[in-house]
Amino acid sequence: GAVVSQHPSRVICKSGTSVKIECRSLDFQATTMFWYRQFPKKSLMLMATSNEGSKATYEQGVEKDKFLINHASLTLSTLTVTSAHPEDSSFYICSATPAYNEQFFGPGTRLTVL
Amino acid sequence: QKEVEQNSGPLSVPEGAIASLNCTYSDRVSQSFFWYRQYSGKSPELIMSIYSNGDKEDGRFTAQLNKASQYVSLLIRDSQPSDSATYLCAVNIDGGATNKLIFGTGTLLAVQP
Repeated sequence: GAVVSQHPSRVICKSGTSVKIECRSLDFQATTMFWYRQFPKKSLMLMATSNEGSKATYEQGVEKDKFLINHASLTLSTLTVTSAHPEDSSFYICSATPAYNEQFFGPGTRLTVL
Repeated sequence: QKEVEQNSGPLSVPEGAIASLNCTYSDRVSQSFFWYRQYSGKSPELIMSIYSNGDKEDGRFTAQLNKASQYVSLLIRDSQPSDSATYLCAVNIDGGATNKLIFGTGTLLAVQP
């Protein structure tokens, strides 16, 4: 149980384009999903908390207009990186919470912006 | 700033030995503690959660929590080369008001065959 999927697993795009990443909880309903970013050999950095049916809560320093988050249903949250630049290249990982505090992670999306 | 600290390692242990991974946290109101395993290039995988002081065992893994000392550890018995990974300690930061976690930087474990 507690399976989270993410799509796409890898994306390469040109600078200035937008990229959408989907996160789905496959076997449970998740009222809360989280989006993280991880740079090589660094720890996970929480970007935002996504609650179904409400606006996402962004961590300090994360541009909400650049990283658009939509949590349309109890099983789907999306992260759109708008006008991507090379410095946005990173490993983006979502997680979802089926029960008290336990977070289960999706497999991640590796974004490369040329 | 609320923090979770881990020794980055690498921690090298021979196959079959016990690996001991440690973590300290700064937020006294933290109530939930987790250990995740992350293989290189992959996302984290939850291996243990612990909420009460003392030990919690699951197979070869034992999590230990001491809230008074703000310390949580993970023991891996009979370490295998497949256990070689980065182990992330995660702590709930607001006493359960939300499900937000803060992660340590991780300890790289290398199990030598």
